[in-house]
Amino acid sequence: EVQLLESGGGLVQPGGSLRLSCAASGFAFSSHAMSWVRQVPDKGLEWVTIISGRDDTTHYADSVRGRFTISRDTSKNTLHLQMNGLRVEDTAIYFCAKHAYWGVDFWGQGALVTVSS
Amino acid sequence: QTVVTQEASLSVSPGETVTLTCGLSSGSVSTSFYPSWYQQTPGQAPRTLILSTNIRSSGVPARFSGSILGNKAALTVTGAQADDESTYFCALFMGSGIWVFGGGTKLTVL
Repeated sequence: EVQLLESGGGLVQPGGSLRLSCAASGFAFSSHAMSWVRQVPDKGLEWVTIISGRDDTTHYADSVRGRFTISRDTSKNTLHLQMNGLRVEDTAIYFCAKHAYWGVDFWGQGALVTVSS
Repeated sequence: QTVVTQEASLSVSPGETVTLTCGLSSGSVSTSFYPSWYQQTPGQAPRTLILSTNIRSSGVPARFSGSILGNKAALTVTGAQADDESTYFCALFMGSGIWVFGGGTKLTVL
């Protein structure tokens, strides 16, 4: 059974940093592309970043490029999102997402990040 | 900047068929955009319905189907049920590793 469990969310001041983690199990973690997708509560989904399953190539949405970094630790089957220079508009629920067949086929339950002074 | 467009809201009667669409502010959607569809109810994580235009995700009922209709991707719900009342998001692969979600369609079953 595929499981994705996010952790590391919380309250941080503007300009601060936070690191999200996603513990993955039930599938060949190193073989699949993984994304982070965020959602302001009661609003739409916004794709944030992806790491490929073949060579760990990364891509970012314009809104976070240069501030956020996605990475994976295959020895621990864990995906990370390092978020620096956080802004109020980064406040959202962050979902860890597994890719297959050119789309997200499984979602974590999400971690809430609140950026506020 | 290209925007992915969806109907803000739609309604359907129980047992009837409804089609939701996913388009581009500029240009046409084709299979090369690998359109995917997701269902979400309040307070829950999204659930994957359709991948790569028309591949149903594991456990998704056959009443959900995906296609390309004209210049848009489409999600058709055949024989809508009360628990299909949700918000539906589409996503398109824009190339260079970039994915973009539509704004979502709130489907009401009444």
